[in-house]
Amino acid sequence: DGGITQSPKYLFRKEGQNVTLSCEQNLNHDAMYWYRQDPGQGLRLIYYSQIVNDFQKGDIAEGYSVSREKKESFPLTVTSAQKNPTAFYLCASADTTGGAFFGQGTRLTVV
Amino acid sequence: GEDVEQSLFLSVREGDSSVINCTYTDSSSTYLYWYKQEPGAGLQLLTYIFSNMDMKQDQRLTVLLNKKDKHLSLRIADTQTGDSAIYFCAGRDDKIIFGKGTRLHILP
Repeated sequence: DGGITQSPKYLFRKEGQNVTLSCEQNLNHDAMYWYRQDPGQGLRLIYYSQIVNDFQKGDIAEGYSVSREKKESFPLTVTSAQKNPTAFYLCASADTTGGAFFGQGTRLTVV
Repeated sequence: GEDVEQSLFLSVREGDSSVINCTYTDSSSTYLYWYKQEPGAGLQLLTYIFSNMDMKQDQRLTVLLNKKDKHLSLRIADTQTGDSAIYFCAGRDDKIIFGKGTRLHILP
């Protein structure tokens, strides 16, 4: 079954802890993206990657880090430097013919 | 950088057509997208159009692109209660940049 899988669906983190959100795709897409969505807001780009072993900062990269060691995987780490990490995090992948597809999201709550 | 603008709300009577509008600033966008988001869910890709196209139709959905005015629209024919959601337009070059979304409300 092809698609994009984000895990976990819900994540709770204590203040001061780093946490890593998983994003895996089996669509053979080169490009992958991470977005943050706050209640009632649009999507803001955190990081994106056009190819393995390369990634670029988006509009709100501060307090986040990523890696792209495999084509299928683009994990996002929310570090303790991120001042307001509670949000809905969405991962997407895209192919060269235009299709761009999203996972179901991870809702992160800082407790 | 790219900026994408949408109106925030639209109310439509069930059975009528809905037209959601979007304007974008970056003419280098290669693809333009429409997504649907229901409460608590991810984004569902509805349709997308290549920047050298003017129109694309897919069942009840029609996308119109006016490149000169940098205006994109999504028409939903015969709007149903299940169409109630937030609709996002987005433009893609290397990044994919989103508008803030239009909340579509269906009136009985």
